[in-house]
Amino acid sequence: DVKVTQSSRYLVKRTGEKVFLECVQDMDHENMFWYRQDPGLGLRLIYFSYDVKMKEKGDIPEGYSVSREKKERFSLILESASTNQTSMYLCASSLFGPDTEAFFGQGTRLTVV
Amino acid sequence: TQLLEQSPQFLSIQEGENLTVYCNSSSVFSSLQWYRQEPGEGPVLLVTVVTGGEVKKLKRLTFQFGDARKDSSLHITAAQTGDTGLYLCAGTGAGSYQLTFGKGTKLSVIP
Repeated sequence: DVKVTQSSRYLVKRTGEKVFLECVQDMDHENMFWYRQDPGLGLRLIYFSYDVKMKEKGDIPEGYSVSREKKERFSLILESASTNQTSMYLCASSLFGPDTEAFFGQGTRLTVV
Repeated sequence: TQLLEQSPQFLSIQEGENLTVYCNSSSVFSSLQWYRQEPGEGPVLLVTVVTGGEVKKLKRLTFQFGDARKDSSLHITAAQTGDTGLYLCAGTGAGSYQLTFGKGTKLSVIP
């Protein structure tokens, strides 16, 4: 079974802190995605990557950056956390090609105080 | 950005009833996927539709992709309490790697 693992289920950080969210997949998938999910707004794509060291902005990249140094790991970085970044963050991976199934991690509930 | 509009946003029905959820866009998608998400978990894929006009069945769930590949529907027959959850459609445009989600339909099936 494909497994996508996010490093934390719950995280509380202070405003202005630099925050790292880590995601690891174990099935050699080329594509990896970071979404945030908010009530009434659905899943919004922050960044995605289709290869090592490659990254593309999604719909809401402001305030975030990403890193993909190894194929299995995709990190989301909040350079200076703000309260409006309090959200559920979901990581996903899929095989090469846009039509294949996306496998999701369980999510990280981030609260910025 | 290609937008996917889902309707209704919320749906509460009695066990045994039928229901349909819609996913619409003004853009053409190379494929559309339907996911189901339970509280505290990530979405899980139910089905992928690729060909315009395609119909797929998964037990009591029937998925249809519009002829023009701009819309899709999910029909549930004789809903059960276990069908309760958030249903999400997601699509990829031609030549794109970006997987875009609709806002979801929150379904509650009451015993």
